[in-house]
Amino acid sequence: KQEVTQIPAALSVPEGENLVLNCSFTDSAIYNLQWFRQDPGKGLTSLLLIQSSQREQTSGRLNASLDKSSGRSTLYIAASQPGDSATYLCAVISWGSQGNLIFGKGTKLSVKP
Amino acid sequence: GAGVSQSPSNKVTEKGKDVELRCDPISGHTALYWYRQSLGQGLEFLIYFQGNSAPDKSGLPSDRFSAERTGGSVSTLTIQRTQQEDSAVYLCASTNRNTIYFGEGSWLTVV
Repeated sequence: KQEVTQIPAALSVPEGENLVLNCSFTDSAIYNLQWFRQDPGKGLTSLLLIQSSQREQTSGRLNASLDKSSGRSTLYIAASQPGDSATYLCAVISWGSQGNLIFGKGTKLSVKP
Repeated sequence: GAGVSQSPSNKVTEKGKDVELRCDPISGHTALYWYRQSLGQGLEFLIYFQGNSAPDKSGLPSDRFSAERTGGSVSTLTIQRTQQEDSAVYLCASTNRNTIYFGEGSWLTVV
C-alpha cells in the first residue's frame, strides 16, 4: 500500500531564504508525482507535475525533483516571499491504480516579512 | 467552464439529513475524483470516475456515501443520514490524464 510522508509538517522562514520541502513514498512504482499548494479555505492548486520518466520540473522560482529509486521528491523554493505562505502537498499516482492519487499530509509554510 | 466548479460552497445540515454535493468538471476531462479533507487532516480519497469504466469506489467510508456521474460530466456525491463525523471539506477534481485540477470544495458542517 502506497504511503506518502512529508517532512517537516510546518516550516517558518524569513523572507528571501531558499528552502526545501521533502516528500517520500513507499512504493517506487509510480505513474507520476504532483506538488500542490493549498491556501487556507481554498482548494488545491497544481504547481508541478513530474512523470515517472522525468527527474525534475521547474516553474519560475519552484523546482521539483524526483528520485524514484529512493522514493523521494523535493520541492525547492528560491528567494521565498510572504505570498508563498501556504500548505504544500505532495501526491503520487501508482501504476495499476491511476484512479487513486495518494496525498501526504502537507507542509505548512510561513514566510515572514 | 474555466475550472472545476463545486456547489454548494457551504452547507450546514442537521444530523440524520441527506445531502447532495455537486461537481462540474472542466469540459473534456474524462477523469473525476472526489476527496474529503477533515480539519487538520490530509486528503482522503473517496471515489474515482474514468470515462465509461466502472468507478473506483474503494475509498467510500460507508454505504451512506454514494456518487454518480451523469453523461460523463457532472457528478453528484450523496451522503445519507449524515453524522457529525461527516463534517469536512469535500473536494472534487478532474484531469485530462496529466495535471489534476481541483475545485474550491464544498464545506459541510453537520450539527
